[in-house]
Amino acid sequence: GMPVEQNPPALSLYEGADSGLRCNFSTTMKSVQWFQQNHRGRLITLFYLAQGTKENGRLKSTFNSKERYSTLHIKDAQLEDSGTYFCAAEAGTNAYKVIFGKGTHLHVLP
Amino acid sequence: DPKIIQKPKYLVAVTGSEKILICEQYLGHNAMYWYRQSAKKPLEFMFSYSYQKLMDNQTASSRFQPQSSKKNHLDLQITALKPDDSATYFCASSHSLGSNTGQLYFGEGSKLTVL
Repeated sequence: GMPVEQNPPALSLYEGADSGLRCNFSTTMKSVQWFQQNHRGRLITLFYLAQGTKENGRLKSTFNSKERYSTLHIKDAQLEDSGTYFCAAEAGTNAYKVIFGKGTHLHVLP
Repeated sequence: DPKIIQKPKYLVAVTGSEKILICEQYLGHNAMYWYRQSAKKPLEFMFSYSYQKLMDNQTASSRFQPQSSKKNHLDLQITALKPDDSATYFCASSHSLGSNTGQLYFGEGSKLTVL
């Protein structure tokens, strides 16, 4: 299967709602990075994790290398959170690349 | 100020022609990468370089040739262009590659349209 599986593919929610995105990995990953791609196509780094949990404002991300997953939680969604969210992971052994998931298209409704 | 500069931002080419996409990073990083994103698709890994040496190549076609003249440069030459090559090409860099890759930093992309 795909080394990085991202779910859900698309998500719509109202302003103020909370949501969770998830990436599952087919193998042990050394690190994960979460990006938001805005309407201009620019990639904005949200988090880089080698392990554990990080929080930044309304965003929180967890990476569990052993269980092979990572999550991104968005609290109190705002209109500007709309965009495509990607996780990207680096494999643990002899890997010289970072692989992206297929993304989650998030649409925040007023 | 952008720390990874990609040029040009937009370009249009005719089928069969050749183009070079420029990437320079001013982060002092030792590893650089190219990714491609076709319309409404995820980013697809193309190449990784470490200390100007090719480390991984996931691009089937030899029409795509990275060129690293300096440690902080990784250009991408594309020959015999096809309409299917139309995409946004992103350059990225990281501290190193392998045991201590670190976070990837991306440029703003070069959007190529092949007619």
